[in-house]
Amino acid sequence: DTAVSQTPKYLVTQMGNDKSIKCEQNLGHDTMYWYKQDSKKFLKIMFSYNNKELIINETVPNRFSPKSPDKAHLNLHINSLELGDSAVYFCASSPWGTAGDEQFFGPGTRLTVL
Amino acid sequence: AQSVTQLGSHVSVSEGALVLLRCNYSSSVPPYLFWYVQYPNQGLQLLLKYTSAATLVKGINGFEAEFKKSETSFHLTKPSAHMSDAAEYFCAVIRTPSNDYKLSFGAGTTVTVRA
Repeated sequence: DTAVSQTPKYLVTQMGNDKSIKCEQNLGHDTMYWYKQDSKKFLKIMFSYNNKELIINETVPNRFSPKSPDKAHLNLHINSLELGDSAVYFCASSPWGTAGDEQFFGPGTRLTVL
Repeated sequence: AQSVTQLGSHVSVSEGALVLLRCNYSSSVPPYLFWYVQYPNQGLQLLLKYTSAATLVKGINGFEAEFKKSETSFHLTKPSAHMSDAAEYFCAVIRTPSNDYKLSFGAGTTVTVRA
């Protein structure tokens, strides 16, 4: 029944490793997003996809690569992890058509890079 | 770029007291405005939103917010705080018109409720 789900919930890894976070939504939405929340709880958008097409690509290092196999899934792959990548990553989804529509957030993935 | 400023990174209230969280936006054109709440170790949940309809917006859990164009504000209030209101609150904005629905967040306000 979970509307927006993310796996894993926690991810602990070493510097230099490559890791992926998966996101799935069962709301039938066309648009999905990735946000990063840093240690001071500041939230910033990273990417958004509409129906598998990249819409927003903020100034995120090339080590971060989103992939949307279909409009219900948006995965985030991170290469060569760095200490500064430690954060909570949130996936979200919304309908496409009205900017005022609510974005539904997943529970987050806490990434810790050692 | 449109942004929001939340005044006060931390607000402490007594149970039963008024909760007032301040948010100001910077835009010459009224944007869409949102308040989200984040409970500990959880994702964000929408409390309420302003999308150019009624200026007084009622949300979930007894919260409401008033859009004031003259003050470029969208402050969040709840008449009587409950212990369960302890959480992080974020004001957010989407510029209008928008072709990417980019949600920009304020820095957040941590609310603690004293018994």
